[in-house]
Amino acid sequence: EPEVTQTPSHQVTQMGQEVILRCVPISNHLYFYWYRQILGQKVEFLVSFYNNEISEKSEIFDDQFSVERPDGSNFTLKIRSTKLEDSAMYFCASNLNREGTQYFGPGTRLTVL
Amino acid sequence: AQSVTQPDIHITVSEGASLELRCNYSYGATPYLFWYVQSPGQGLQLLLKYFSGDTLVQGIKGFEAEFKRSQSSFNLRKPSVHWSDAAEYFCAVGRITGTASKLTFGTGTRLQVTL
Repeated sequence: EPEVTQTPSHQVTQMGQEVILRCVPISNHLYFYWYRQILGQKVEFLVSFYNNEISEKSEIFDDQFSVERPDGSNFTLKIRSTKLEDSAMYFCASNLNREGTQYFGPGTRLTVL
Repeated sequence: AQSVTQPDIHITVSEGASLELRCNYSYGATPYLFWYVQSPGQGLQLLLKYFSGDTLVQGIKGFEAEFKRSQSSFNLRKPSVHWSDAAEYFCAVGRITGTASKLTFGTGTRLQVTL
């Protein structure tokens, strides 16, 4: 069964550094998402992406964040200058149509020191 | 704005006992409703979903959920819990927004299963 994959599984970085989290959505899916889950808290929506542009972004998704689909398979989340509070599990998701089920990847745990 | 409430933070049940996890939502239109499960260190796996039609939906691993519009609820049930069901369960409501959609999650219910 097709699945969403994410790399790396764990990323440790110093405050102020840039990180890029990578996702490979299910191949025929058209809609892509990033969510995050701070330890012990609920999963929160960050951004949705369709047709090579952002569809919606949350208040969390400020100018330090950006997303890109650099080729036909990858979907990336960049944090330009990481802060301690960016430490969280980041999940990528995708769906075939906007009403459909969002399928989630296993997540990347980001630790900012 | 939509919201989801899962009033039970932590539930413990004995293996073989029945289970009901509560979920209440707030949403102005007909909701898309989901239950996801997260095992420790793992991603989110879809258990079941409600879009329309029959209000009792069946999912994987023997789970079912019932949509009750009058109570704004979408409770998850399982008649007989297995030790492997121990995990965190998230209820979510989906909303179409612009050209895509968005899920709003509840805070989750951690299920512990005793042998």
